[in-house]
Formats: sequence, C-alpha cells, structure tokens
Amino acid sequence: DGGITQSPKYLFRKEGQNVTLSCEQNLNHDAMYWYRQDPGQGLRLIYYSQIVNDFQKGDIAEGYSVSREKKESFPLTVTSAQKNPTAFYLCATQGTDIQYFGAGTRLSVL
Amino acid sequence: QKEVEQDPGPLSVPEGAIVSLNCTYSNSAFQYFMWYRQYSRKGPELLMYTYSSGNKEDGRFTAQVDKSSKYISLFIRDSQPSDSATYLCAMDISGNTPLVFGKGTRLSVIA
Repeated sequence: DGGITQSPKYLFRKEGQNVTLSCEQNLNHDAMYWYRQDPGQGLRLIYYSQIVNDFQKGDIAEGYSVSREKKESFPLTVTSAQKNPTAFYLCATQGTDIQYFGAGTRLSVL
Repeated sequence: QKEVEQDPGPLSVPEGAIVSLNCTYSNSAFQYFMWYRQYSRKGPELLMYTYSSGNKEDGRFTAQVDKSSKYISLFIRDSQPSDSATYLCAMDISGNTPLVFGKGTRLSVIA
C-alpha cells in the first residue's frame, strides 16, 4: 500500500444511494487514478487527474464522479446512475512512469 | 485488436518450475514496461520495471522486452507457492499518460 490509503475496505450500497470511496496519498505525486476491477476483466480506468482541480474521464466514467481539490486526495463517488457497482475499486498514484496502488475497496450492493 | 494482449490462464505449475508469462502489444510508441503482482483481494504491487528493450534481472525474476516483436516476458525461476498470484503487464508511452494494462494471468504454484 505504501503511502496510499483507501477507505473503507468494504462498503455496501443500498438501491438509489450515492457512496463515496476515499483515496489519500502522502507520496507527493501529481497524478492519481481510479480503476474498477471485475473478475477476469483486468483493470478498467474510471477517472484520472494529473493536477489539482483538473481530471479526465477514463474508459468507464458513466455513473461515477470525482473531485481533486487537494493534491493528497482524490475521492470517487459511485452514483445511483451506476447500475452495476459491485466490484473491487483501486486507487493509484503515478510518479514518473510507475503507478503505485492502494489496498482497494470492495463495494457490494445490498 | 486490443492494445495489450495477455493470456488470462489460469496457469498451474509444480513448485520449482520455471514460469514464463507474456504480453504482446500493438503500439510501437510504448517505451516503459512493467510487471505487477496482485494477490487475491489486494492491490497490485510493482514487481519489475524496464525501459525500452533488453533484460532485467531481480533475484528469481527476469523481465525481457523485445520491441521489434512487440513482446514482453516475465520469467520466474524456482517458483514457490508464494508466487501464486495474478500477474499484470503494463506499458506507458511517455510517463505522463495513463498506463495500459493487460488483463492479467492467474498463476498457481502447487507444492
């Protein structure tokens, strides 16, 4: 995990509810990423941010939102528009070429 | 054609075997190549990093990059049950762009 903290480790969402996944880093990296991982699917990029107050959509941004108000923090909100949110969510930071990952948050639907 | 192709396995080998994991790619602009190891229900951790073509060795692990063939490999010597994990290859063009990942190969080393 290094200097990347994801919380909570497990999260449950009720129908129609928005939930927010936290990602905090102390590596002083500019770039931060959110991935979704489903069994057998590999990592799919949701959103990324290369600088504070700026972020870009990845391959599967629909139903998700992010903010980047501080360099250390890149929270991900899974909105009620995301109809199939059950997955393992990974946050990463990038220093030059290498990405470093957090321990992940497992989101399930009640 | 996907940018990065990786056989998902699963690959099952006996303890002590030499393991070969591979990825092929289509974008000749990739310059940086990485292998990550991911244990079940954990985040991926960087295992090997190489720039451009050539070999890199670290203990029981060797990474090879053949840019002319657009092919990268990870070799694990004297494989151990603790090597059982999913191995993801990743590539980058410039260091300022998102990495492109393979889907991962699941490896089981049987004692």
